[in-house]
Amino acid sequence: AQKITQTQPGMFVQEKEAVTLDCTYDTSDPSYGLFWYKQPSSGEMIFLIYQGSYDQQNATEGRYSLNFQKARKSANLVISASQLGDSAMYFCAMRFSASKIIFGSGTRLSIRP
Amino acid sequence: DTGVSQDPRHKITKRGQNVTFRCDPISEHNRLYWYRQTLGQGPEFLTYFQNEAQLEKSRLLSDRFSAERPKGSFSTLEIQRTEQGDSAMYLCASSSPGREPETQYFGPGTRLLVL
Repeated sequence: AQKITQTQPGMFVQEKEAVTLDCTYDTSDPSYGLFWYKQPSSGEMIFLIYQGSYDQQNATEGRYSLNFQKARKSANLVISASQLGDSAMYFCAMRFSASKIIFGSGTRLSIRP
Repeated sequence: DTGVSQDPRHKITKRGQNVTFRCDPISEHNRLYWYRQTLGQGPEFLTYFQNEAQLEKSRLLSDRFSAERPKGSFSTLEIQRTEQGDSAMYLCASSSPGREPETQYFGPGTRLLVL
């Protein structure tokens, strides 16, 4: 069965430091996609970054990068130079069919000034 | 692109009442999804449309829930005879299969509180 696990319920990080949010997944499908979303207190899910299972290089989008280790089935999100506005819930998600995405339970990131 | 919009943003209702939520996807997106998110959890898939056809429904979607997308544009999610356990955030998302990666873009959600 497909599953996403986020083991860090909450994290505190000093502003301007880098932070790594952990995500492991389980699937037997050879083709899948991994996403990270940010959810501020307003509730909207904001797409951050995507990694396909066949992508050879780690995805990067501005200050976000995805540390994809396929053999370990991990897809950690790295945020460089954290900012106060990065404080939010972060969800790792996996798409394994045309339609369905499953989400992890999320990590609440708090940035300290 | 204008984003995905949802209406209302908040709804308070009494147990036993019916409620209906609306979602307007990004205009060129033909796939539309509904999710439910309870406190402290990630969103859970409820149902999915491609154009006007409802192609998949989760077991979470009980008989009291019905979703429609009559003209392949906006969608409605109706909950009949609401129960306190229905209190949650209901999120809508849309995507376009012609674009890779096929990313689902979410609306702001409708927060439902059943008293």
